[in-house]
Amino acid sequence: QVQLQESGPRLVKPSETLSLTCAVSGYSITSYYWGWIRLPPGQGLEWIGCIHHSGSTYYNPSLKSRVTISVDTPKNQFSLKVNSGTAADTAVYYCARVLLISGDMYLDYWGHGIPVTVSS
Amino acid sequence: QSVLTQPPSVSAAPGQRVTISCSGSSSNIGSYYASWYQQLPGTAPKLLIYDNNKRPSGIPDRFSGSKSGTSVTLGITGLQTGDEADYYCGTWDSTLSSWVFGGGTKLTVL
Repeated sequence: QVQLQESGPRLVKPSETLSLTCAVSGYSITSYYWGWIRLPPGQGLEWIGCIHHSGSTYYNPSLKSRVTISVDTPKNQFSLKVNSGTAADTAVYYCARVLLISGDMYLDYWGHGIPVTVSS
Repeated sequence: QSVLTQPPSVSAAPGQRVTISCSGSSSNIGSYYASWYQQLPGTAPKLLIYDNNKRPSGIPDRFSGSKSGTSVTLGITGLQTGDEADYYCGTWDSTLSSWVFGGGTKLTVL
């Protein structure tokens, strides 16, 4: 059974970096892509990006300049950093397993989500 | 503003059938498989339909998906109060080189 668990600070000050980690259990992170999605209050889901253990990444163009996703294969986890945080980055952040094969992509397993607030 | 357009809300009575549309273009739905996600209140999204019309193990056959041109549709039959949720479509977009979600549709079972 694939399980994902987000962790990290739930309160970040404006202009600081938001950092989250997703621990994966029940499946090796060396297969599939692994992604981050967020749900701002009162809005819809927003794709942030994903990474393969080889280092291949895909980012949302609107966030690409501030976002870095990395993978830690020995620890079977991956991480998200969002630089220069603002109130607009306040959201519930989800990690997910991403099936990405030519012409086909979907998110089949999700973490429970972690609420993050950017505020002084 | 998402490149995938969904109605903000739909509603129907228990036991009835409802459909939720997701309209895109040739750079997304028209060229790639789409999937649907159900987000019950206070919970994480769950994969409901993938590859336009396939159901993951454990998803009841009351849920179905179809595609026509640059649009996909989610159908739910035998509506239950437990189906009240937000529903999102998603797919790859070649112009953006990014995954995109629809804006989401809130289903109310009256």
